[in-house]
Amino acid sequence: KNEVEQSPQNLTAQEGEFITINCSYSVGISALHWLQQHPGGGIVSLFMLSSGKKKHGRLIATINIQEKHSSLHITASHPRDSAVYICAVIAGFGNEKLTFGTGTRLTIIP
Amino acid sequence: DAGVIQSPRHEVTEMGQEVTLRCKPISGHNSLFWYRQTMMRGLELLIYFNNNVPIDDSGMPEDRFSAKMPNASFSTLKIQPSEPRDSAVYFCASREDSGETQYFGPGTRLLVL
Repeated sequence: KNEVEQSPQNLTAQEGEFITINCSYSVGISALHWLQQHPGGGIVSLFMLSSGKKKHGRLIATINIQEKHSSLHITASHPRDSAVYICAVIAGFGNEKLTFGTGTRLTIIP
Repeated sequence: DAGVIQSPRHEVTEMGQEVTLRCKPISGHNSLFWYRQTMMRGLELLIYFNNNVPIDDSGMPEDRFSAKMPNASFSTLKIQPSEPRDSAVYFCASREDSGETQYFGPGTRLLVL
């Protein structure tokens, strides 16, 4: 069993729909990252969370430390949101080593 | 700022050859990370440096892999000898100590025949 599990693996939705991508982890963490990988391969860091919620534009990320679970939400989805979304955790404290989930491939249809 | 710069962007080589991947982090960033991405294993951290010092190299696959950071503006990842299973996209990322965000380079796509 992977330390970081994401669901769903693939998600196709119509433009405008509200999107939720889930990440569960099995180890104690100091922080969790959400990354976006564009179809061309480039990777962008979206959020780093250690508690609560963060919002950036149409993207919202939440984390529940007790339940070892995080969600990434996209409101008013757009075809340009089509990408692979990757959850990654920093296990423990005092290091920077990221352990990655396998990613969720999101496709938004116009 | 130009962002994190990696070279080459693509590399095709034959098994047994030495491969050197290069990374220039964003100026002022203290931490530098090397990642590998494959279809089978996804993204994996290979090694990271802080202030040019290797902090965690537990992700380096084996002795064929080595990484150096001789100064704050340059790092290399070397594979010698290369094997077909090393074929992957290798990403470099950097981060400043006071920041949360890692900035990724465009990656080097390596194919070992």
